[in-house]
Amino acid sequence: NAGVTQTPKFQVLKTGQSMTLQCAQDMNHNSMYWYRQDPGMGLRLIYYSASEGTTDKGEVPNGYNVSRLNKREFSLRLESAAPSQTSVYFCASSASAGANYGYTFGSGTRLTVV
Amino acid sequence: GQQVMQIPQYQHVQEGEDFTTYCNSSTTLSNIQWYKQRPGGHPVFLIQLVKSGEVKKQKRLTFQFGEAKKNSSLHITATQTTDVGTYFCALPNTGNQFYFGTGTSLTVIP
Repeated sequence: NAGVTQTPKFQVLKTGQSMTLQCAQDMNHNSMYWYRQDPGMGLRLIYYSASEGTTDKGEVPNGYNVSRLNKREFSLRLESAAPSQTSVYFCASSASAGANYGYTFGSGTRLTVV
Repeated sequence: GQQVMQIPQYQHVQEGEDFTTYCNSSTTLSNIQWYKQRPGGHPVFLIQLVKSGEVKKQKRLTFQFGEAKKNSSLHITATQTTDVGTYFCALPNTGNQFYFGTGTSLTVIP
């Protein structure tokens, strides 16, 4: 039982390059989330998908796009990477978008933009 | 928007000492969650509190929700080196997504 799987685990990009972070869950969860974590800033919500076919902006959506490909997969795309996007990115899922379920997190993607 | 204050930001304790972290909200909460993140790891869900004044225990960890549902605490009795990590509270916003506090980083000195 893998839970939430994120790829890649590490990535170095040059400014202006694009990339897609992949996330898949095998728990039949309805809701999925993308967070970024920076030192001293905690976890900040980028985008979320309450259910298959829907996506919504979180606290810090600028510079990102997402796709809920199916119930299992939720990808995060950086169209033109900037140094300010250097961070650790976590994907998470929960049974429902209602505030009654704990989140299961992936192991993270450590992204450096130079 | 909702403001989440988590204090202290850092805490160093001798092994065997107790530890407490506090989470304070500017608004009344429907519930609150707590997570632990080991160094280099990912956040792991610990517990959810829902009722006013609720107290829940997990071995040496005691979680409390304030009577006014605006604050919460996590207390660890007799810390061990396995308790090292950052403890986050998470608060639901109007859209029922969770916003995380800045965390309390716990260091346990053997």
